[in-house]
This record gives sequence, C-alpha cells and structure tokens, in this order.
Amino acid sequence: EVQVVESGGGLVQPGGSLRLSCAASGFTFSNYWMYWVRQAPGKGLVWVSRINGDGSSTKYADSVKGRFTISRDNAKNTLYLQMNSLRAEDTAVYFCARDRGSALGELLHWGQGTLVTVSS
Amino acid sequence: DIQMTQSPSTLSASVGDRVTITCRASQSISTWLAWYQQKPGKAPKLLIYKASTLESRVPSSLSGSGSGTEFTLTISSLQPDDFATYYCQQYNSYPYTFGQGTKLEIK
Repeated sequence: EVQVVESGGGLVQPGGSLRLSCAASGFTFSNYWMYWVRQAPGKGLVWVSRINGDGSSTKYADSVKGRFTISRDNAKNTLYLQMNSLRAEDTAVYFCARDRGSALGELLHWGQGTLVTVSS
Repeated sequence: DIQMTQSPSTLSASVGDRVTITCRASQSISTWLAWYQQKPGKAPKLLIYKASTLESRVPSSLSGSGSGTEFTLTISSLQPDDFATYYCQQYNSYPYTFGQGTKLEIK
C-alpha cells in the first residue's frame, strides 16, 4: 500500500526556519516525482514545489522561491521541505503528495498533512 | 502564472440532483487539468485527470470535459458522499495552480 507521512510541523517565529519531512513507503520512491502542497486554515489548496526522481530538477511557487528548498533522500525514501525566512502567511497545513507516475503533476497519493504555524 | 477560476464558489443541491462546476484558465492549458475532492480535515482525493479521465474507483456518476481554457466537472446524480469541496488544478506549466474551490452543500 502506498503511504506518505509528513512530520516536522510546529510553531515557529517569523523569520525562523523549519524542515518538514515526508516518509514514503509501498512504492519505489526514486521512480516518482514528489510534491508539496499547502492549505492555510479555512482556505484553498496552493501548489508549493516539485522535485523529480533523482533530485536534479526542482520547481517552486513564486511565493516561496528563494526561501524554501525541496530535496529528497532516495536511500531513506524521504522527501524534505526546508523552509527559511518564514512569514505569517506561510501558516498552513503542508501536504506531501506523489503523482500517478506520469511525471505530469496529477497528485494521486497524499499524506495527512502537517501543520506549520508562524507566529510570535 | 496561470490563474484558475472556479464557479460557483458555493453550490447548494439535493441528493439526486445533477450539478456542474466550471473551471476557467487564464490561458490555454490544453487538457492538462485535474479535479480533486476534499472533505474537512482530510487530504484531497484525485478524481479526474487529463480533463476527462476518471481515476480508478471513482464513481462513473462523475465526469469531466473541456479543453483550452474552459472545463467542467459534472456529477450526474448527487449522493450523500459527494458533498465536499472540489478543486481544479492545471499542470500545463509551472507553477502549477489550483482553483479557489467550490463547496458543494446540501440544500
């Protein structure tokens, strides 16, 4: 069974940093592109970032470019999101997702999300 | 960035009704569009990809259509499990973007 489980969320002060992790199981992790999507409380979904299978190619939403870094460790079957210079508007549930296998961005498998709160 | 606009934002309907949600893209995205369903406190669920292809185990009462800039999600006969929020997402070009969501409520 395919599973992705996020962790690492919590309360952080504005300007601070946090690293999210996403542990994957039930599939050959290195074969799949992986994604982060976030959702502020009571708001809609926002696409954040994407990384290809070997980690050589990454993409970001304009709102996080230069502050967030997506990476992966295929030996540990784990996806990461390093978040720096955090702002109040980064407060959200962060979901990790795997695509269908098409490398096209159709997000089939999602984790339960991890909440990041940026507040003083 | 490509802007995705859904209408309506909220839709009130009854069990058995046929409903349609529209998603418009600010520029052509061919058929690179997905639809998701999300229930409160849960992760989104992929329903349809490439504008009209139903994901496995998604009921055939759902259907998607469109290309270019205008797309629709239709539920032919609403069931209690269908009341949720629906999002469209374009994956034609980066950054990928979602619509703002359509909340389907029980009338």
